[in-house]
Amino acid sequence: DTGVSQDPRHKITKRGQNVTFRCDPISEHNRLYWYRQTLGQGPEFLTYFQNEAQLEKSRLLSDRFSAERPKGSFSTLEIQRTEQGDSAMYLCASSLTGDHEQFFGPGTRLTVL
Amino acid sequence: GQNIDQPTEMTATEGAIVQINCTYQTSGFNGLFWYQQHAGEAPTFLSYNVLDGLEEKGRFSSFLSRSKGYSYLLLKELQMKDSASYLCAGSARQLTFGSGTQLTVLP
Repeated sequence: DTGVSQDPRHKITKRGQNVTFRCDPISEHNRLYWYRQTLGQGPEFLTYFQNEAQLEKSRLLSDRFSAERPKGSFSTLEIQRTEQGDSAMYLCASSLTGDHEQFFGPGTRLTVL
Repeated sequence: GQNIDQPTEMTATEGAIVQINCTYQTSGFNGLFWYQQHAGEAPTFLSYNVLDGLEEKGRFSSFLSRSKGYSYLLLKELQMKDSASYLCAGSARQLTFGSGTQLTVLP
């Protein structure tokens, strides 16, 4: 296991379509985080999981966004009825516990036309 | 709130030393992370300060003063490859990032 992986790396979609992204964390890591990053800004927290439990969601995570981590391993982030404002880099990170550094995946770049 | 402030841009010369400052509101954070992010890539971990003082790791050092809500990242012997965005992040249940400082290293 060489690190956090994300799929796809790039996604172009039309406004109103649904998209789903996948994140595979480092295998022994219990914590998994989703962030969103736009150009010139730092990553913004969206949500995180401790094993399969979703423990916190940001106010940024509207009801069009949903995340799951069904078996405490990989996670999916779904965006329904995409809007142009959803265009961003979506980053996944994992950590051993909440007190350890987070390791980031390469991100999924979403473009909504 | 947990605002984090850092300069938007800095420029330095190859071989020099540069200090990137970060200030934050003092309540709510357990510690302070620094990450490096090259354009189009994911952030990579540089340092984590929980206690006050200086942590040295090769060419990079990081300082924290919890009472002052202040941290800095010190980069020595700058190399061209150090041109990147440097992100300061407060650690609570999740990371709260600043907007990043874009460092340009000139020859």
